[in-house]
Amino acid sequence: AQTVTQSQPEMSVQEAETVTLSCTYDTSESNYYLFWYKQPPSRQMILVIRQEAYKQQNATENRFSVNFQKAAKSFSLKISDSQLGDTAMYFCAFITFTGNQFYFGTGTSLTVIP
Amino acid sequence: NAGVTQTPKFRILKIGQSMTLQCTQDMNHNYMYWYRQDPGMGLKLIYYSVGAGITDKGEVPNGYNVSRSTTEDFPLRLELAAPSQTSVYFCASSYIYSYNEQFFGPGTRLTVL
Repeated sequence: AQTVTQSQPEMSVQEAETVTLSCTYDTSESNYYLFWYKQPPSRQMILVIRQEAYKQQNATENRFSVNFQKAAKSFSLKISDSQLGDTAMYFCAFITFTGNQFYFGTGTSLTVIP
Repeated sequence: NAGVTQTPKFRILKIGQSMTLQCTQDMNHNYMYWYRQDPGMGLKLIYYSVGAGITDKGEVPNGYNVSRSTTEDFPLRLELAAPSQTSVYFCASSYIYSYNEQFFGPGTRLTVL
């Protein structure tokens, strides 16, 4: 079975500080893609960062970076210099190379405190 | 580019009524998806389409139907609405491969009373 687990339902961080959101997943496939999506109060889902499982180098996008541990099936998101606009629900997701379906976690609600 | 648009934004249905949620994308994406998001949960795939004329079931297809007659449109039909279908519905699309970035619509909040 393909599953995604986000064990932190809620987190908070002070503005300008760094926070890490956890995600673990399970799949028997070896080729897949991992994603972090952000859902602000507007409900619009926005891609934050994407990681190909065959790449050892961790993906980075400005203040967002991931720690991808393939053997441990772990894919955490680090947000540096947190901003008020980062307040949102964050979803971890993956899709296999041969599949047609994304699998989403239950989300982590992040609040950035001024 | 409008991206992915969904109508309506909100809707209240009575038990047993039917309705169609509309989804249109103007990015010439071949893949389109319908998800539902229940409170405190992640997104669950209802149906998806890999191109015009081709649709397939996702994790939670019961109580829904879809069609894809054009590349742009992917309507979701609810027949005989039930309270368990109260949810927020998202349409999404992606280009060429399913593992490319999915672009999401703004969602439709549906309440069945």
